[in-house]
Amino acid sequence: GAVVSQHPSRVICKSGTSVKIECRSLDFQATTMFWYRQFPKQSLMLMATSNEGSKATYEQGVEKDKFLINHASLTLSTLTVTSAHPEDSSFYICSARESTSGRYEQYFGPGTRLTVT
Amino acid sequence: AQSVTQLDSQVPVFEEAPVELRCNYSSSVSVYLFWYVQYPNQGLQLLLKYLSGSTLVKGINGFEAEFNKSQTSFHLRKPSVHISDTAEYFCAVSENQAGTALIFGKGTTLSVSS
Repeated sequence: GAVVSQHPSRVICKSGTSVKIECRSLDFQATTMFWYRQFPKQSLMLMATSNEGSKATYEQGVEKDKFLINHASLTLSTLTVTSAHPEDSSFYICSARESTSGRYEQYFGPGTRLTVT
Repeated sequence: AQSVTQLDSQVPVFEEAPVELRCNYSSSVSVYLFWYVQYPNQGLQLLLKYLSGSTLVKGINGFEAEFNKSQTSFHLRKPSVHISDTAEYFCAVSENQAGTALIFGKGTTLSVSS
């Protein structure tokens, strides 16, 4: 089956630093990737939709200058949390939409737990 | 606008008992419905989905769900649960098969005890 990986799985950083999270589709091409944020005991909230080769579309209330998304290839999207603060601590999950088969299924990565101290 | 309501935040059950996790949705257009499971510290795994056709959908791990358009529901069921089914379950809706981003419910924690 289609596999999506995320790296790192866990990261701890100091307040004010930037952190990059990678999302890779390992065995399929993904023209679209989605980034979600999940707070403890809560649901996934869509942050942005990332299309290969174009600018990401951010959901209302998500600061695009703080959460930089780059979808440079059909298998890689990155989320950079710039100048991270403790309130950015969360579980970040990406999903990749498989498009070559025509079924357009979404596959989720295992998530990245970010802790900002 | 679409929305998903999962009526129970927590469902405790004993092993081998049946379980139903409830999900209601609202949408002004055709919908495609999904159930995902999330084990602790892991990403989401698709259990099953309804795109069209038969309203009774069978998924992995013995789960099934029934799409009820008149009641705008998509409840998840399993006749006999195992300890290993303990996890968070999310119902989600999408406007089209082509995969606009999913709208998720708040999740239901299923706790199975012996």
